Amino acid sequence: NAGVTQTPKFQVLKTGQSMTLQCAQDMNHNSMYWYRQDPGMGLRLIYYSASEGTTDKGEVPNGYNVSRLNKREFSLRLESAAPSQTSVYFCASSATGISYEQYFGPGTRLTVT
Amino acid sequence: SQQGEEDPQALSIQEGENATMNCSYKTSINNLQWYRQNSGRGLVHLILIRSNEREKHSGRLRVTLDTSKKSSSLLITASRAADTASYFCAPRETSGSRLTFGEGTQLTVNP
Repeated sequence: NAGVTQTPKFQVLKTGQSMTLQCAQDMNHNSMYWYRQDPGMGLRLIYYSASEGTTDKGEVPNGYNVSRLNKREFSLRLESAAPSQTSVYFCASSATGISYEQYFGPGTRLTVT
Repeated sequence: SQQGEEDPQALSIQEGENATMNCSYKTSINNLQWYRQNSGRGLVHLILIRSNEREKHSGRLRVTLDTSKKSSSLLITASRAADTASYFCAPRETSGSRLTFGEGTQLTVNP
């Protein structure tokens, strides 16, 4: 099992460009999450999907959109990247509900210039 | 939001010593989870303690939970250089549907 995979690992964008971060899990988990991690800020939840077909905003959703493509895949889209979105992005998944442990991907390091 | 706050922010010890990290939170919880993050990697789940539990063990890890004080501690016994990482607590609120992570404790274990 690969667990949670994320692509790409690194990305540099210019301000105003768009891109989609991909995430997939092979653990048959219902719930999936997108976080961003910034120095001194801990992890902050951007969006999550409690189950296939549903998505909800987290703590910092502005500037992002998500798609739960199927049970395995949950993508994060930046429509018009800004320097403030420079961060490390982590995808995670868990069994039904967040009372269960979350499994994290290796992260995508995004720089917006 | 129900963010866990870890203390201390940084901890440096010698191999073989014990490391204790603390977590405080503000409202009622369903459970509290601890995670480890090695440099440049994703978080890894270590242990989950439910609100009706007071202590839990897993290998060299011991977690306590005091719901009256809204606090938890993570003890790593006989630490090793490989334990060098950031450690995060994540309280799970009884209401709401998300975990929130604090800034973590950076543990350095010197060989």
